[in-house]
Amino acid sequence: KQEVTQIPAALSVPEGENLVLNCSFTDSAIYNLQWFRQDPGKGLTSLLLIQSSQREQTSGRLNASLDKSSGRSTLYIAASQPGDSATYLCAAYTGGFKTIFGAGTRLFVKA
Amino acid sequence: DAGVIQSPRHEVTEMGQEVTLRCKPISGHNSLFWYRQTMMRGLELLIYFNNNVPIDDSGMPEDRFSAKMPNASFSTLKIQPSEPRDSAVYFCASSLGGPPNEQFFGPGTRLTVL
Repeated sequence: KQEVTQIPAALSVPEGENLVLNCSFTDSAIYNLQWFRQDPGKGLTSLLLIQSSQREQTSGRLNASLDKSSGRSTLYIAASQPGDSATYLCAAYTGGFKTIFGAGTRLFVKA
Repeated sequence: DAGVIQSPRHEVTEMGQEVTLRCKPISGHNSLFWYRQTMMRGLELLIYFNNNVPIDDSGMPEDRFSAKMPNASFSTLKIQPSEPRDSAVYFCASSLGGPPNEQFFGPGTRLTVL
């Protein structure tokens, strides 16, 4: 059974700092891994999706990597801004119809 | 482009009442998902439709929960009778082609059962 863990649960950083959010999964036989952003009271916004054959994906200041052998993915945010404050969730798809979500990392970027 | 639309955004009801949540997927998407998010259990898949047909409803917690998709542009999630432990945020998501394709989420319905 796939389990997805995100550490830390919460993170506070000063504006401008580069940061890394971690996601680990127990079943390495994943099809893809997706990173989402969730703002308070709102839905999930897809940030990056990494297919199992890929090692990383980039979008603007965001870079997500995937290492299936170690069961890890990281989301790197460069030059963080207060607008980046949100909860970030990773989700792993390993077949069937269920995507398994982590509990999220709550990020606060201080101005 | 309109994203996934959900209504109502907030619902407060009393225990025992029927609750109906509504979802309009992104036009052209043929897969629809209902999720529930709580502090204790995080985000859980309740049911998955493909081409309007329920494919996996193993996440539906009890018979009090039911979901329908009468056409490609509309789905409902019904709870009857509702209980306080059903209080959560319910999300609808859609995708083109189903898993493992990218899912797009609606804003959610925050349900409070008193």
